[in-house]
Amino acid sequence: ETGVTQSPTHLIKTRGQQVTLRCSSQSGHNTVSWYQQALGQGPQFIFQYYREEENGRGNFPPRFSGLQFPNYSSELNVNALELDDSALYLCASSSQGRPEAFFGQGTRLTVV
Amino acid sequence: DQQVKQNSPSLSVQEGRISILNCDYTNSMFDYFLWYKKYPAEGPTFLISISSIKDKNEDGRFTVFLNKSAKHLSLHIVPSQPGDSAVYFCSSLTGTASKLTFGTGTRLQVTL
Repeated sequence: ETGVTQSPTHLIKTRGQQVTLRCSSQSGHNTVSWYQQALGQGPQFIFQYYREEENGRGNFPPRFSGLQFPNYSSELNVNALELDDSALYLCASSSQGRPEAFFGQGTRLTVV
Repeated sequence: DQQVKQNSPSLSVQEGRISILNCDYTNSMFDYFLWYKKYPAEGPTFLISISSIKDKNEDGRFTVFLNKSAKHLSLHIVPSQPGDSAVYFCSSLTGTASKLTFGTGTRLQVTL
């Protein structure tokens, strides 16, 4: 059974640019959620995808968008990057009906 | 909206002793609470959960207690081991979107 994998592990972008982060969900999981973790804080829910559709969204602006593919992998896209977008971005996969979510190792995004 | 608070940023415990990590919440509308452990440069790892209809759940060295009248839960680790040194996050799970709301974490250090 493969776990959740994210790519890339580290990324540096310039303010105003766009970024795409990728996530492969754990085998057998059909739900993917994305979280942003700023330094010294707990992860903050961005949104969730189930069956390729957005299934809930946190308090993040529309320039944060996502996709889920038929194989349940997912992308997080952030447009018009701001300095405050610098954070660890975590992907988590889960199965509907089960409470626990399993996280990838995260992508550390630095916006300069 | 649910708020989850971990008021102790850090805790130091001697190896073999009990570690008690605490968490308070504001909203009684939740389905589960989950505890996660996080090492540096890794994603959070699921430890143990408790549903809203229970007041205790045990898994090996880990026990979670839920006091709904006080809106408080705690994670007990006994006996504590050096490998338990990590940041521990309390989170609540609410609603059909399976959104996890995290506290700010408690850094546990288990000393020899």
